[in-house]
Amino acid sequence: AQKITQTQPGMFVQEKEAVTLDCTYDTSDPSYGLFWYKQPSSGEMIFLIYQGSYDQQNATEGRYSLNFQKARKSANLVISASQLGDSAMYFCAMMDNYGQNFVFGPGTRLSVLP
Amino acid sequence: GAVVSQHPSWVICKSGTSVKIECRSLDFQATTMFWYRQFPKQSLMLMATSNEGSKATYEQGVEKDKFLINHASLTLSTLTVTSAHPEDSSFYICSARAVRDAGRNTEAFFGQGTRLTVV
Repeated sequence: AQKITQTQPGMFVQEKEAVTLDCTYDTSDPSYGLFWYKQPSSGEMIFLIYQGSYDQQNATEGRYSLNFQKARKSANLVISASQLGDSAMYFCAMMDNYGQNFVFGPGTRLSVLP
Repeated sequence: GAVVSQHPSWVICKSGTSVKIECRSLDFQATTMFWYRQFPKQSLMLMATSNEGSKATYEQGVEKDKFLINHASLTLSTLTVTSAHPEDSSFYICSARAVRDAGRNTEAFFGQGTRLTVV
């Protein structure tokens, strides 16, 4: 069974600084996909970044980058130059080899301080 | 990006009645749809996975007779909460995967979510 762990229930960061949100996972699948989503108070799920397990390079999308360490089974999200609008819940998620079993971690609430 | 429309956005119903939530992929064909339930300040809990033309696969602990999922076409999946009770009050959200991504583990698009309150 797949499992996602996010050990930081809440994080604070000063505006314009970088922050790392931790995510570790457990799976026996040889191939899988890792995702990060942002959920503001409105409830919508906003896709941030995707990393395939066989991708050689770490994924980057604008201010978001994913620090993928396959041997350690970790997929940490790095947000550079934090903005006040980044304050939200952040979820790490994983999908299995066949695009099924799309499960989420417990989430981290990020608060950006002015 | 692809658009998934979920309707209604919020609904209040009386205890004992049934409520249907629709999830439509507007500009792509969805081979797989996921249904989640989210309690306040908690994560998304996967309830079931439905593949078009097949019966939904329910997660352990989710009552299939209470949460009826239908995925009759490539653009529509519905979740019906039958005989709703106050403890069913929650945020329900769907996610869809495109046919073009079938067999891979990339991309899933979310609906806006439905806030259900049972009184």
